[in-house]
Amino acid sequence: DAEITQSPRHKITETGRQVTLACHQTWNHNNMFWYRQDLGHGLRLIHYSYGVQDTNKGEVSDGYSVSRSNTEDLPLTLESAASSQTSVYFCASSVGQGARQETQYFGPGTRLLVL
Amino acid sequence: GENVEQHPSTLSVQEGDSAVIKCTYSDSASNYFPWYKQELGKRPQLIIDIRSNVGEKKDQRIAVTLNKTAKHFSLHITETQPEDSAVYFCAVRKYNFNKFYFGSGTKLNVKP
Repeated sequence: DAEITQSPRHKITETGRQVTLACHQTWNHNNMFWYRQDLGHGLRLIHYSYGVQDTNKGEVSDGYSVSRSNTEDLPLTLESAASSQTSVYFCASSVGQGARQETQYFGPGTRLLVL
Repeated sequence: GENVEQHPSTLSVQEGDSAVIKCTYSDSASNYFPWYKQELGKRPQLIIDIRSNVGEKKDQRIAVTLNKTAKHFSLHITETQPEDSAVYFCAVRKYNFNKFYFGSGTKLNVKP
C-alpha cells in the first residue's frame, strides 16, 4: 500500500550537531510539507515543496533546510541543532487542488530531543 | 497569508452529548476546509472535509458546516463517545495554493 514514512521515529542529539530527518512517500504526490508540533502552538509550517527542485520557507524556517531531488523524498536538516528545536516533527504530502483526495496526509512523526 | 482561529482550546462533554468546535478564517479566497483528529502520540488524520461550494457535509456522527459570508466553519460531533477524546485541528487552503493553514487545536475530553 502507498504510504508516507518518517525516520528515525525518535532521535536524541546534542546542541550544535547537524541532524537530518527523513520523509518518504510512495503516493507520487507533488506537494510535501514539514511541520513542527509543540504544546500550545499546534502545527507550524517549516518548509514545503511543490515538486522536484522546488523548496519554500514556511513560518518557522530559521535553522532548517530541505532539498527535493526526487518526488518521493523531502529530508529536513537542522544545520546546528538547538534546544529550542526539541519538538515533534511531522511530514505531510498532498496531490494538490482538483484531485479527488486533495487533503494532506501525515507521516507518523519524529520525536527529536536536543540536549 | 491566512489567519485561522479555532475555539475553544479545550472542551469537556459528557458521553452522549454533542460537541461543537468552530474555526474562523480571514481570506475569502479560501476554498477547502478539512478537519483532522489527532489521538495522543499519533499523527493527525482527516475525519471530514468540505469545499466552498457546499454548506454542510455529514458522515455518520460528525458533520461540518460552512458559512462563507461570515468566514467560519464548524465541526459537530453528536452522541459523543470516549473514543472521540482527542485533539481536533481545523485547516484552510486557499484557491490556487497548496499550502494549508492550521488552527491551534481543540482538546476534546469525553467523560464516560
